[in-house]
Amino acid sequence: EAGVAQSPRYKIIEKRQSVAFWCNPISGHATLYWYQQILGQGPKLLIQFQNNGVVDDSQLPKDRFSAERLKGVDSTLKIQPAKLEDSAVYLCASSFGQGGNSPLHFGNGTRLTVT
Amino acid sequence: QKEVEQDPGPLSVPEGAIVSLNCTYSNSAFQYFMWYRQYSRKGPELLMYTYSSGNKEDGRFTAQVDKSSKYISLFIRDSQPSDSATYLCAMRKGEYGNKLVFGAGTILRVKS
Repeated sequence: EAGVAQSPRYKIIEKRQSVAFWCNPISGHATLYWYQQILGQGPKLLIQFQNNGVVDDSQLPKDRFSAERLKGVDSTLKIQPAKLEDSAVYLCASSFGQGGNSPLHFGNGTRLTVT
Repeated sequence: QKEVEQDPGPLSVPEGAIVSLNCTYSNSAFQYFMWYRQYSRKGPELLMYTYSSGNKEDGRFTAQVDKSSKYISLFIRDSQPSDSATYLCAMRKGEYGNKLVFGAGTILRVKS
């Protein structure tokens, strides 16, 4: 089966600019996640979708971050305006179920550098 | 205090050694425990998962959960250079919708 696809792989922007990331989950996976992984830290959940509805966005900085999952498949994560501390790898993951031991399948991430 | 604590390492071992990786956690509500492996510039991939306490073995890998001590471990037998990666523990509380909480990851280097 094809894995989780993310683009772009790398992005360099200046602070106060905007940026968008795209994710295509594994076919048939209803749950989609966006994680932020700062260098030397574990991934931190930003937002979780079940189909096209938001399940958890408690750690999403809503003044600058937004995410959508139209038609319950692809998803985009946007940052506007970016800050230096947003430099991180943004990982998209998907799973068939939304809890228990339902494994998350991760993409290879988008590495964002804010200068 | 972080919910999940993990020694970042790096841990350097010779090829063939037995490796022990550990995490501690503070929230007794965690029930599902997972170990992910992350190679450089790649996304994490699931190695093993366990529910509640006990041991689980899969090839060279053994996962242990001790809920009374809030302590989980991953053992790697006959370690290989290809095992060199960052190992992330992760856990979640319940059945539906609860987010997966990750440790910071331990960097493992296996020298040939």
